[in-house]
Amino acid sequence: EPEVTQTPSHQVTQMGQEVILRCVPISNHLYFYWYRQILGQKVEFLVSFYNNEISEKSEIFDDQFSVERPDGSNFTLKIRSTKLEDSAMYFCASSDTTGKPEKLFFGSGTQLSVL
Amino acid sequence: AQKVTQAQTEISVVEKEDVTLDCVYETRDTTYYLFWYKQPPSGELVFLIRRNSFDEQNEISGRYSWNFQKSTSSFNFTITASQVVDSAVYFCALIRIQGAQKLVFGQGTRLTINP
Repeated sequence: EPEVTQTPSHQVTQMGQEVILRCVPISNHLYFYWYRQILGQKVEFLVSFYNNEISEKSEIFDDQFSVERPDGSNFTLKIRSTKLEDSAMYFCASSDTTGKPEKLFFGSGTQLSVL
Repeated sequence: AQKVTQAQTEISVVEKEDVTLDCVYETRDTTYYLFWYKQPPSGELVFLIRRNSFDEQNEISGRYSWNFQKSTSSFNFTITASQVVDSAVYFCALIRIQGAQKLVFGQGTRLTINP
């Protein structure tokens, strides 16, 4: 079965540093998403991306965050100046070509620790 | 706005017992999808089931079964003859079919199956 790949699986960074989380969505998918899960809490939507632009973002997704699809295969989440409260598991997801997320395929996540 | 409530924060049972995880949702949409995901200790989100709001037929998959009742806005999940490997956090989630396509998660239920 096709899968969404995320790298790295764990990332440790110092507060104030920039981090880039990388994702390779399923090849024929057109809709991409980032979700976040703070330890012990529920999974929260951050942003959706379609046709090279953000289609929706949550209030969590402030100016410190940005997303990019730099080439035909990668989808990245950048945090410009990390804060302690950015420590979380970040999940990338993609959905199929119909654009209707009957089934979102999630990656295995990147655990970000900000020290 | 959509909301998903999983009132059971933690459940602990002995192996081979049956266990039901509750999920209640709120939405003004008439068409939507409901999901259950499993999050094992390794952290990834494992898709279990998707249910279209048009389809209230209950579903069984091995030891897993789901009871969707639109009248009470509930989508409960039952594990029959539980096993230690079922220990995980289980999330119920909702997504609209039209418009904004973000998955709204419940808080999750931590299920522990004791040998």
